[in-house]
Amino acid sequence: NAGVMQNPRHLVRRRGQEARLRCSPMKGHSHVYWYRQLPEEGLKFMVYLQKENIIDESGMPKERFSAEFPKEGPSILRIQQVVRGDSAAYFCASSPPEGDRGYEQYFGPGTRLTVT
Amino acid sequence: KQEVTQIPAALSVPEGENLVLNCSFTDSAIYNLQWFRQDPGKGLTSLLLIQSSQREQTSGRLNASLDKSSGRSTLYIAASQPGDSATYLCAVRLSYNTDKLIFGTGTRLQVFP
Repeated sequence: NAGVMQNPRHLVRRRGQEARLRCSPMKGHSHVYWYRQLPEEGLKFMVYLQKENIIDESGMPKERFSAEFPKEGPSILRIQQVVRGDSAAYFCASSPPEGDRGYEQYFGPGTRLTVT
Repeated sequence: KQEVTQIPAALSVPEGENLVLNCSFTDSAIYNLQWFRQDPGKGLTSLLLIQSSQREQTSGRLNASLDKSSGRSTLYIAASQPGDSATYLCAVRLSYNTDKLIFGTGTRLQVFP
């Protein structure tokens, strides 16, 4: 059973470009979470999604950031018109369906975004 | 607003020592608490998960305890080894909100031979 997969592992973008980060949850997991770790800071929650639904986006910046988890395919975190302050490690986590809330979240290896 | 704090921020010890890492949280209404390790430039590895109804969990040389009423958890590492060097993070899941995790600030551990 493959773990949570994220790609790319490293992404370099110039200011103003778009960044697309992908996350494939563990098999059988229907909940996806995105977290951001800024340099020398702790992990901060961004958004929580289930298939085709955004459940909690309270940690998402108001502009330029969006996330989706379509019926088919990976979850995507999209950052439009990137700025230097977006440089960070972005982690995706997944967990089993709602009936198993006691289960832990499993994290992917992260995507390290560098904005030049 | 839930805040999670970890003490100490950094720790450097010789191999073989028994260690205690501390995690405190301001709101005791948590669903569970999870301990992770993070190696430099890498992702998070889950170490232990303690449900709110539990008082401790053990895995190998690791033991985590939870005192919900006082808002504290400790991670005990027995007979530390250089391979234990990493950053240790605790995270709480709130019981009255979504399933997001609130992370602590981390303890950077170095175990030298």
